[in-house]
Amino acid sequence: QVQLQESGPGLVKPSGTLSLTCAVSGGSISSSNWWSWVRQPPGKGLEWIGEIYHSGSTNYNPSLKSRVTISVDKSKNQFSLKLSSVTAADTAVYYCARIYCSGGSCAYYFDYWGQGTLVTVSS
Amino acid sequence: EIVLTQSPATLSLSPGERATLSCRASQSVSSYLAWYQQKPGQAPRLLIYDASNRATGIPARFSGSGSGTDFTLTISSLEPEDFAVYYCQQRSNWPGYTFGQGTKLEIK
Repeated sequence: QVQLQESGPGLVKPSGTLSLTCAVSGGSISSSNWWSWVRQPPGKGLEWIGEIYHSGSTNYNPSLKSRVTISVDKSKNQFSLKLSSVTAADTAVYYCARIYCSGGSCAYYFDYWGQGTLVTVSS
Repeated sequence: EIVLTQSPATLSLSPGERATLSCRASQSVSSYLAWYQQKPGQAPRLLIYDASNRATGIPARFSGSGSGTDFTLTISSLEPEDFAVYYCQQRSNWPGYTFGQGTKLEIK
């Protein structure tokens, strides 16, 4: 059973950089899956941020692309999110999630999710 | 960009009743549509993928239908634990993964 666990500071100052890590257990991050970040502002809907493959290939939401970096650390079986120049609009619960791939074909839906971590942008 | 529009925004029903939730895509997504359930303070949970396939462990009272641009999630007989927010989701080349705005299913 794959488990995902987000961690990182719960408070970030405006104009600063939000940094989160997602630890993967019950499976290898080097397996053929995509690993994503999704966020949800308080009381609002879900927004996909970006994804990474174990090779380091990434895809980002164009609305956030200029500020987002997602990286992978295979030695620690985890992947990370950095979001720069944050404002109050970036206050949200941040989730990591998995897109399953098999036989060279990948799904388009998220089958495993972390429990989420709230990040507040405030001075 | 493919936009997913869910209706209604809020659905008020009683336990035992049938719930019908709608998701409409601005362009055809074939059958590549998923549904999630989210309860307060929890992560979304995958319910349905490929428009009509139940994910592992999802009760048979949940069913999905549709293709192209119009999709439906049906809960045949509501249990108390089914009251939650439901999202549809798809993936396109640009901008990637997108979600509907959600339907809140509340107890009447």
